[in-house]
Amino acid sequence: EVQLVESGGGLVQPGRSLRLSCTASGFTFGDHAMSWVRQAPGKGLEWLTFIRSKAYGGTTEYAASVKGRFTISRDDSKSIAYLQMNSLKTEDTAVYYCTRSQHTLSSWGRGTLVTVSS
Amino acid sequence: DVLMTQSPLSLPVTLGQPASISCRSSQSLVHSDGNTYLNWFHQRPGQSPRRLIYKVSNRDSGVPDKFSASGSGTDFTLEISRVEADDVGVYYCMQGTHWPYTFGQGTKLEIK
Repeated sequence: EVQLVESGGGLVQPGRSLRLSCTASGFTFGDHAMSWVRQAPGKGLEWLTFIRSKAYGGTTEYAASVKGRFTISRDDSKSIAYLQMNSLKTEDTAVYYCTRSQHTLSSWGRGTLVTVSS
Repeated sequence: DVLMTQSPLSLPVTLGQPASISCRSSQSLVHSDGNTYLNWFHQRPGQSPRRLIYKVSNRDSGVPDKFSASGSGTDFTLEISRVEADDVGVYYCMQGTHWPYTFGQGTKLEIK
């Protein structure tokens, strides 16, 4: 069974950094692209970024709202995807979901809440 | 960015009755690889989204056949043949063809 478990969320002040982790199991992690999607309180879904598998160059793409501030990475030896979030803003407050795949988001974690507030 | 427009945004349905959600994109969702990456997700209250349909009309494993989807180009539809209590929540369409990938606003299905 595919499982994705996010961790690393919490309360952080504006301008500070946070790193989220997504620990995967139940599939060959290195064969799949991984993505992060967020959902602000009471709002819809926003796709943030993905990282391709090493077979496809491990390249990344970012939404304009986070480009230059957020960085996605992966450690295939540990089956973990990361989201490094810098220069956080109050509008980054959301539940952050880790998802498998690039185009179709086949599986989702339960999410981790990030609250940016002073 | 590709704009995904869902309608209706609110969908009250009587138990046992059918429901239909429309999703329109601002440009064609046919990818250069020939696939059309239009997906549907269901999010129950307090839960993470779950994919129901991928690439227009392919049902995910475990999704009952009362869910069906169709469409092409820029117009897509999700249909539920007989709504049950477990179907409440928000349904989102999402395009994975043009970066940045985008979601529709969501359609909230409730029991009338």
